[in-house]
Amino acid sequence: GAVVSQHPSWVICKSGTSVKIECRSLDFQATTMFWYRQFPKQSLMLMATSNEGSKATYEQGVEKDKFLINHASLTLSTLTVTSAHPEDSSFYICSARSSRGDQPQHFGDGTRLSIL
Amino acid sequence: AQSVTQLGSHVSVSEGALVLLRCNYSSSVPPYLFWYVQYPNQGLQLLLKYTSAATLVKGINGFEAEFKKSETSFHLTKPSAHMSDAAEYFCAVRINNNDMRFGAGTRLTVKP
Repeated sequence: GAVVSQHPSWVICKSGTSVKIECRSLDFQATTMFWYRQFPKQSLMLMATSNEGSKATYEQGVEKDKFLINHASLTLSTLTVTSAHPEDSSFYICSARSSRGDQPQHFGDGTRLSIL
Repeated sequence: AQSVTQLGSHVSVSEGALVLLRCNYSSSVPPYLFWYVQYPNQGLQLLLKYTSAATLVKGINGFEAEFKKSETSFHLTKPSAHMSDAAEYFCAVRINNNDMRFGAGTRLTVKP
């Protein structure tokens, strides 16, 4: 089946640093990629949606300058958390799907980000 | 607008018992419906999907779900729970090519 690879799976870094998370679709062309944030014991919160070659569409309340998203190809999207602070610590999950509306989204395994 | 409601944030069953996780949706047009499972510290894995074909959908790990338009429901069931089924389950809805909306999730606990 379709596979989405997310890397790294776990990041621990100091406050003020920037962290890049990669999301790759391994066996299909991901025209749309999604980035979610998940707090403990809660559902997924959509942060932004990106279509290949276009600027990402951010959900209300999500700082675009804080969470930089690049979707330069049909198989790769990146999320960069800039100048990360402890409140940015969370579980980040990417998802990808093709252009067909009836196709499910396929999810990466998530990235646990811990800011000290 | 599309939305999905999962009734019961926590369901506990005994091993071998029936599993029933409830999901209701709201949509003015026929939706695409999905069930995902999430194990600790992992992403979401697709269990099954409804895309306007058969109303009874069979998925992986013995799960199935039935689309009932009259009740706007898409409940997830499994005849006999296994310990390995303990996880978080999410129902999701999507209209056409819009983004997917998730329910709040239901944590399934399986007692030995």
